[in-house]
Formats: sequence, structure tokens, C-alpha cells
Amino acid sequence: GESVGLHLPTLSVQEGDNSIINCAYSNSASDYFIWYKQESGKGPQFIIDIRSNMDKRQGQRVTVLLNKTVKHLSLQIAATQPGDSAVYFCAENSNNNDMRFGAGTRLTVKP
Amino acid sequence: NAGVTQTPKFQVLKTGQSMTLQCAQDMNHEYMSWYRQDPGMGLRLIHYSVGAGITDQGEVPNGYNVSRSTTEDFPLRLLSAAPSQTSVYFCASSYGSGNTIYFGEGSWLTVV
Repeated sequence: GESVGLHLPTLSVQEGDNSIINCAYSNSASDYFIWYKQESGKGPQFIIDIRSNMDKRQGQRVTVLLNKTVKHLSLQIAATQPGDSAVYFCAENSNNNDMRFGAGTRLTVKP
Repeated sequence: NAGVTQTPKFQVLKTGQSMTLQCAQDMNHEYMSWYRQDPGMGLRLIHYSVGAGITDQGEVPNGYNVSRSTTEDFPLRLLSAAPSQTSVYFCASSYGSGNTIYFGEGSWLTVV
């Protein structure tokens, strides 16, 4: 069946470096994507979203890129900070059906 | 702003006991849902509601019941707790399916 997944379960970066977290999806009908950040012991927090009519969207220090040709989504975090350490996961939605979530990538920022 | 509020934060149950996880949102969202999060897995949908008086099953509904008597509240009931229901539970809400989902802070449930 269709699934949302991540290329890497863990990512470790140096403070100040840029981070790139990847997500693959298999449902070509997906038209809405969200990145969430989840800190330990807390609920998922919305970071940024993108619809399928766009290929790039920028927020504060974050950028989401969507490549519909290869069904790939990425989250770029600029100048990664210790407070960015968390689990990041993507979610997809197609035709207003239920959102489907990836398992997540754990980002660790080294001082 | 409260957003999505869940209680309790932590709960330990014995096998066979029943309990209710409470969820309330103050954003006037029509769509509410319950997910469980297990290690190494993505959030899985248990039940959802598209409005007051309407509920439906998600991906993993067995062992759980829900009701939606008001727009604000969406309680999740465990009928007879089993160790397999040990998990972290998240309530969520949104304006509708296909819109950004906002989550509560989670309820950690252990069934022994």
C-alpha cells in the first residue's frame, strides 16, 4: 500500500551547520504536506507546510522542498541550533483524506 | 491560547480496566482525531470526527470508543485495557481534513 517514510532515522549535525531531513512518499495523489517537530515528552508541533502546486516554501530558518517527480520532500534548517534537537516527521494528505505520518528522524545538534 | 488540551498526562492501568482520555479544543475546529504513537512507527489514526455527532474509525480502532457530543470535546475510551494499548496518545484538531492538524501534548498510557 501507499506509505510515507524517511530515508534516515537519525541525523547528527554541528551547531551552526545546515540540516537536511528527507522524506519519501509513494502516493502520487498526495497534494498537501506538513513537517512537524516533536520534542521529547511533547506533542508534534507544526513547522511548515506545502501544497503540491508549489515546489519550495520558506519560513523562518526553514525551507521545505517538494519534488513531485520522485515523490520526495525535504526540510532544510539553516544555522541549526541546540533547540532544534528533536524528532522531525513529515505528513501527507491526498484528496482530503486522513493525514498519514512518517516515523520520524531524530536530529541531534552537537555544540 | 489553550489549543488542544489532553488529560491525563500519565496513566497506569491494569489489564481489563477501563478509562477515558479527555480532549478539548478551543479553536472551533470541526475535525478532531485521536492517534497513537509507538516507537519506530508513525502516528496511527484511531478514530476521528468531522463534526459534533459524527465519528468514524481510523486505522487502528479496535479496543477504543469515541463520542462527539460537542464541537469542543472528543473523549477516547479504552473499554478493557490490554498491554498492547501501552502507547502515547495524541488528540488533534483541524478546520477540516486536508488542513493543518494541531496536536495536544500527549497522554502516556501504560497497561500492566
